[in-house]
Amino acid sequence: KAGVTQTPRYLIKTRGQQVTLSCSPISGHRSVSWYQQTPGQGLQFLFEYFSETQRNKGNFPGRFSGRQFSNSRSEMNVSTLELGDSALYLCASSAGLAGEETQYFGPGTRLLVL
Amino acid sequence: AQKVTQAQTEISVVEKEDVTLDCVYETRDTTYYLFWYKQPPSGELVFLIRRNSFDEQNEISGRYSWNFQKSTSSFNFTITASQVVDSAVYFCALSEGRRNAGNMLTFGGGTRLMVKP
Repeated sequence: KAGVTQTPRYLIKTRGQQVTLSCSPISGHRSVSWYQQTPGQGLQFLFEYFSETQRNKGNFPGRFSGRQFSNSRSEMNVSTLELGDSALYLCASSAGLAGEETQYFGPGTRLLVL
Repeated sequence: AQKVTQAQTEISVVEKEDVTLDCVYETRDTTYYLFWYKQPPSGELVFLIRRNSFDEQNEISGRYSWNFQKSTSSFNFTITASQVVDSAVYFCALSEGRRNAGNMLTFGGGTRLMVKP
């Protein structure tokens, strides 16, 4: 099976712009989760989508949003970018039933905000 | 609230040495799941192991072994005869086990392992 794919892999934006990141889960997986990784805060959970519905949400401002499509592909959007949004954004997929399932991660999107 | 602590931020060893990465967790759930992931310089998190709270049996996979002790809330990871390719950042993570809780991993801060030739 193909793994989790994320596009784009690298992105440079300026403050105030918005950005959309894409994630394609492993075939058959219905849950997609997003994480932000920064040197200062480490790995933090953003949100999870399951069957096109947001099931869990982390402690991030409303500028961070996401959605999931009927084919389980997911996008996350960050509006009004700030310098602190520079990070590695990781997407993970799982079959989606409950917390015991293993989440498999994609290669990430490195976002640099100037 | 859940919390995972990896007290060792960096460890440096010489190839062929054994090394243990510590992980201590906090949770009020009686059912929970523990994970270890490896993050090489490329950035992708690579799954290594999952353990549920009811299974305290230690596990060995090649040079890797894991020691889960509920009494001390620890889930430590040992690499035997380390190799340069083991150099990476290793993360311990915790998730709730309640059905319909969804998937949310709480990660520790990570331990950077450097294996020198």
